Amino acid sequence: NAGVMQNPRHLVRRRGQEARLRCSPMKGHSHVYWYRQLPEEGLKFMVYLQKENIIDESGMPKERFSAEFPKEGPSILRIQQVVRGDSAAYFCASSRAKRDTGELFFGEGSRLTVL
Amino acid sequence: GESVGLHLPTLSVQEGDNSIINCAYSNSASDYFIWYKQESGKGPQFIIDIRSNMDKRQGQRVTVLLNKTVKHLSLQIAATQPGDSAVYFCAENIGSGGSNYKLTFGKGTLLTVNP
Repeated sequence: NAGVMQNPRHLVRRRGQEARLRCSPMKGHSHVYWYRQLPEEGLKFMVYLQKENIIDESGMPKERFSAEFPKEGPSILRIQQVVRGDSAAYFCASSRAKRDTGELFFGEGSRLTVL
Repeated sequence: GESVGLHLPTLSVQEGDNSIINCAYSNSASDYFIWYKQESGKGPQFIIDIRSNMDKRQGQRVTVLLNKTVKHLSLQIAATQPGDSAVYFCAENIGSGGSNYKLTFGKGTLLTVNP
């Protein structure tokens, strides 16, 4: 049973380019969460999605960042016109439901480096 | 500012000793806490959780203690092994309606186990 799958694991972009990070949740999970981890920091919540719906995007920067979780295919976190401050590890987690027990299963992350 | 933080950024122990990792939180409304382990280059891995109506919970070789009076959380690892070497994060839930996806992470403690 595969866990949360993220790709690419490492991504290098130049300033002004676009970055697309993909996340496939665990089998049977329909809730996806994106977190960002800056160097030597804890993870910070960005966005929570269900299929075709954004449930909570309170942690997303107002500009340049967007996320989707289409009916078919992985969830995508998109960063337009990247800047050096976007360099971070982006983690995706999934859960079976928005339930009270709360265990999130994290992927191994996508590490974005902006030159 | 950070709602969750750690007293010690690094902890070095001898193999076989017990480890104690501490965490302070400031949001008295938090009602759910989780400890995660993150090995280098990997995503956070769930260790143990505790709700605010409890003050102690035990797992396999790990115990979490919660002191709501002083807003303090600790993770105790018994008979620490080299495989326990990792960064340990405490996280609190700031979600509403019983959902536990919107976690606030502390900055982490690096545990190094010396053979």
